[in-house]
Amino acid sequence: GAGVSQTPSNKVTEKGKYVELRCDPISGHTALYWYRQSLGQGPEFLIYFQGTGAADDSGLPNDRFFAVRPEGSVSTLKIQRTERGDSAVYLCASSVRGGSETQYFGPGTRLLVL
Amino acid sequence: AQSVTQLDSQVPVFEEAPVELRCNYSSSVSVYLFWYVQYPNQGLQLLLKYLSGSTLVKGINGFEAEFNKSQTSFHLRKPSVHISDTAEYFCALRRSNQGGKLIFGQGTELSVKP
Repeated sequence: GAGVSQTPSNKVTEKGKYVELRCDPISGHTALYWYRQSLGQGPEFLIYFQGTGAADDSGLPNDRFFAVRPEGSVSTLKIQRTERGDSAVYLCASSVRGGSETQYFGPGTRLLVL
Repeated sequence: AQSVTQLDSQVPVFEEAPVELRCNYSSSVSVYLFWYVQYPNQGLQLLLKYLSGSTLVKGINGFEAEFNKSQTSFHLRKPSVHISDTAEYFCALRRSNQGGKLIFGQGTELSVKP
């Protein structure tokens, strides 16, 4: 079956612009996660949704970052007033439910802020 | 707070040689432990996981890992590596009584040479 998909695969933007990154989880998965992976580092947790609600948003670095999942399926990560330090690969993962042990990852969106 | 330390950032090895990738963790609560692999330009893929029970865990592609509670380690091993095992490997943990976020180490780049 189809895995987790993320669009776009690459995004180049200018400092100060607004960007949206999309994640399509595996069908039927109720839990969805966003991570950020900077060059040479491991993924860093951003936010976790159970259904439509954010169960844990403790990893969002500041109020420029926001994520939604209005219908409990597709999620969008939104970054306002982008900064060069936001350049990273943004990973999305999903699992059957929040307590499930296995998270399935998408290929990521590579964001470059010039 | 929990943390994961991968002791080697790069591990070069010759084909058909054994390999061990080291992972230590820190946590005051019970955790689940994972190893993920990231091939170039692909998403993270689960290799194996330790939840409870037998401390020796077998995963895909001939990899295994041993949970050692007294040494707070979860080292990954393979008795004979192939060129195709060249990838980035990440150790991660999650609190066992709490769904959601994975905490990752910084990764170990395994390079298998002919």
